[in-house]
Amino acid sequence: AQKVTQAQTEISVVEKEDVTLDCVYETRDTTYYLFWYKQPPSGELVFLIRRNSFDEQNEISGRYSWNFQKSTSSFNFTITASQVVDSAVYFCALEADRGSTLGRLYFGRGTQLTVWP
Amino acid sequence: KAGVTQTPRYLIKTRGQQVTLSCSPISGHRSVSWYQQTPGQGLQFLFEYFSETQRNKGNFPGRFSGRQFSNSRSEMNVSTLELGDSALYLCASSLAIGRPGANVLTFGAGSRLTVL
Repeated sequence: AQKVTQAQTEISVVEKEDVTLDCVYETRDTTYYLFWYKQPPSGELVFLIRRNSFDEQNEISGRYSWNFQKSTSSFNFTITASQVVDSAVYFCALEADRGSTLGRLYFGRGTQLTVWP
Repeated sequence: KAGVTQTPRYLIKTRGQQVTLSCSPISGHRSVSWYQQTPGQGLQFLFEYFSETQRNKGNFPGRFSGRQFSNSRSEMNVSTLELGDSALYLCASSLAIGRPGANVLTFGAGSRLTVL
């Protein structure tokens, strides 16, 4: 079974603070993909990053960085120097590499991030 | 290029009615997936279509159905609406080339259904 846990329901920070959103996943598949999506108030899920299970390199994109650790089944997301525009719900998701899971993402419950000016 | 378009954006129905939601994928995308988002259950997978065929289905009752047309546009239908069907219904499309996970899902803004 596939499962994604985002233990942090809500996080509030003040602008310019760094914030880390946690994601822990469970899967028995050896090949899988991990994603982070952002959902602003408009409702549309915006893709941020994809990682496959064989690529444990951390990635940095501007103020965003991701730390993937298979040993702890975690795929954490850090925003450096947060801004008010970062306020949104952030979802971590998992897709297993098998035919029966085509097009199916397993989402965590999301973390509501609020950045105060 | 245009994103995933969902219509209508908002609708209100009463219990027992049925509803049809529409999704136009990004041009060239052949796979369309549907998700239901509620405060209680979060984001849950409904079904996925590719070349007019349903390839995968989530754990929803038969009242939830969908289809895909030859131009890749998709519709989902919910019959005999219940209060618990109130949700944001999100559609996503992808190229569906290669291995699962190799294609990023692009989501629409959703159709917010309220059942009274």
